[in-house]
Amino acid sequence: NAGVTQTPKFQVLKTGQSMTLQCAQDMNHEYMSWYRQDPGMGLRLIHYSVGAGITDQGEVPNGYNVSRSTTEDFPLRLLSAAPSQTSVYFCASRQTGDSYTFGSGTRLTVV
Amino acid sequence: AQSVAQPEDQVNVAEGNPLTVKCTYSVSGNPYLFWYVQYPNRGLQFLLKYITGDNLVKGSYGFEAEFNKSQTSFHLKKPSALVSDSALYFCAVRDILAAGNNRKLIWGLGTSLAVNP
Repeated sequence: NAGVTQTPKFQVLKTGQSMTLQCAQDMNHEYMSWYRQDPGMGLRLIHYSVGAGITDQGEVPNGYNVSRSTTEDFPLRLLSAAPSQTSVYFCASRQTGDSYTFGSGTRLTVV
Repeated sequence: AQSVAQPEDQVNVAEGNPLTVKCTYSVSGNPYLFWYVQYPNRGLQFLLKYITGDNLVKGSYGFEAEFNKSQTSFHLKKPSALVSDSALYFCAVRDILAAGNNRKLIWGLGTSLAVNP
């Protein structure tokens, strides 16, 4: 089925480790974004991309990197994991003017 | 600054009763308003949106929302609640001051709806 695919669904990291959260969409959407969801904080935008080769920072970009080499993929890299990055991460995409399509999320725990 | 407020953290309603989840907004110009729903351990799903036109917008799963410009509100409603409607509901407004495709959504903090059998 068409949509946004996130992997992995669950991950436990040790402080200082790095990892990449994968996000892929097959709807040819131009706009992709990464959010983190924390209790009482709602959704906070980490990074976003308006097309291949173009990325920009959101509200809470520190500690995260992104790249957009293709229209389909938008990976999120944690450079050196910290307990404060324990969260649920969502990738979302949309075509211009349309509503967002969200992935099912990655639940990350940093110990 | 543009913002969205969902004044209730939690709403409880009996099955079969009407439900309302409240949302108010603050924007500089005409708002683009959205409702999304998040079921447990799932990503958010689009419910409905208001761009222009009729103030009553109909969406998925029998939900509707009423845009009220004078009260700057966009409350989500359903005439008869189901237990399966229990979920987290998010209101959002598009940042119309940004240019082009950079128009990001500004999100409310969410309202947890519990429908009791």
